[in-house]
Amino acid sequence: AQSVSQHNHHVILSEAASLELGCNYSYGGTVNLFWYVQYPGQHLQLLLKYFSGDPLVKGIKGFEAEFIKSKFSFNLRKPSVQWSDTAEYFCAVWGLRSYNTDKLIFGTGTRLQVFP
Amino acid sequence: EADIYQTPRYLVIGTGKKITLECSQTMGHDKMYWYQQDPGMELHLIHYSYGVNSTEKGDLSSESTVSRIRTEHFPLTLESARPSHTSQYLCASTVTGVKGGAQYFGPGTRLTVL
Repeated sequence: AQSVSQHNHHVILSEAASLELGCNYSYGGTVNLFWYVQYPGQHLQLLLKYFSGDPLVKGIKGFEAEFIKSKFSFNLRKPSVQWSDTAEYFCAVWGLRSYNTDKLIFGTGTRLQVFP
Repeated sequence: EADIYQTPRYLVIGTGKKITLECSQTMGHDKMYWYQQDPGMELHLIHYSYGVNSTEKGDLSSESTVSRIRTEHFPLTLESARPSHTSQYLCASTVTGVKGGAQYFGPGTRLTVL
C-alpha cells in the first residue's frame, strides 16, 4: 500500500533561517509528487509538483524540492524563511497505478512556525 | 486561479440533523473529491467522482453520501449527524490526465455536531 511519511510534525524557526522538511513515500512504481501548503485561515493550495524530468523543482515563494528516487524522498527546502511562510505543509504522492482515479496519498503534515 | 467553492464554511448543528455540504467548481473539471481532515492529521479520501452520475467511496469509511448530477456540483450529505462526524471536510477537483494529483481545493467546511 502507498504511504507518505513526514518526519517533522512541528518546526519552529526564526526569520532568515534555512528550512528543510522531510518527505518519504512508499510506492513501487512511477509517482507524481507534490507539496501542498495551507496558510492560516486559507484553503489548501499547491506549492510545487514533480511529474518527470529535472528532479529539482521550483515552486512559488522561493520554495524548491528535490526528488531522490533511490531514497524515495521529496524534501522541501527554502534558503531563507519569512514570517509569512508560517503554515501547514503537506507532502502528497500520486501513483501511476492510480491513473483512473487520481487518488492522492497525503502525509500527516508539518506545522511550520516562523518568528520575526 | 482555481475556483472551487464550499458552503457553509462553518456549521454547528445538533445530533440527528440532516445536513448537506455544498461544493462547486467552475473549471470544468471532471474529477471531484471529498476529504476529511481532523486537526493536525492527514487528509483522508472519503468520496470521489469521475464525472456525472459517477460516485465511489474512498479509503476512509464514511456514513456520508454524495451525488454528481452536474459536472460542477458535488454535494455531500449526512442523513443523521453525530458528534463523531465533527471534522473538517475539504472538496477538491482535477482534470483527467497523466499529471494526476494536481488537485485544486476548496476552503473547507468545518463541521461541529453537538
